[in-house]
Amino acid sequence: DSGVTQTPKHLITATGQRVTLRCSPRSGDLSVYWYQQSLDQGLQFLIQYYNGEERAKGNILERFSAQQFPDLHSELNLSSLELGDSALYFCASSAGTGGQETQYFGPGTRLLVL
Amino acid sequence: QKEVEQDPGPLSVPEGAIVSLNCTYSNSAFQYFMWYRQYSRKGPELLMYTYSSGNKEDGRFTAQVDKSSKYISLFIRDSQPSDSATYLCAMSAWGDDKIIFGKGTRLHILP
Repeated sequence: DSGVTQTPKHLITATGQRVTLRCSPRSGDLSVYWYQQSLDQGLQFLIQYYNGEERAKGNILERFSAQQFPDLHSELNLSSLELGDSALYFCASSAGTGGQETQYFGPGTRLLVL
Repeated sequence: QKEVEQDPGPLSVPEGAIVSLNCTYSNSAFQYFMWYRQYSRKGPELLMYTYSSGNKEDGRFTAQVDKSSKYISLFIRDSQPSDSATYLCAMSAWGDDKIIFGKGTRLHILP
């Protein structure tokens, strides 16, 4: 158990809908990262927050947004969902920031868009 | 050309064999190299990391980096069925918060 929690574990929704994925980092970790994992694209970095502020952005679509709250939990909002958004979404956390920080991954949220 | 290339497999080997997993990369700024292991229906977990060229050993696992060839490897000795998982290489550059992952190689160790 990495200490990172994600809810929900599974999500089934329809095209055009909006969903919110939630992540609680390990105790004491200030950074939260969001990743999307699909069979064809692999693990793709979406966005990172550090202590409430956006720190780095990857291949995140404009339909997607995220935030990190004062208690350090984070939410990833996915809107106007398309079939291609079906994937595993992982949250990871680390103590600090920087590509050399060990990232601890949660169990993921499996999203299926029908 | 993708920044990180990794053969997706699957790779099936008999128990006890030596396994070699590899990645190539194109960005010469990468200085920090990692291997993550991901079991089915779980999140990735860090297995090993190294900063420099050469070998780093941890039990049955050896990570090797050849910066001149932009090539990294993970060797697993005396492979066990419990090693069956997807192995993702990952790398980052100094001063960059992002980690770039390979697509992962699915490994099956046959009892």
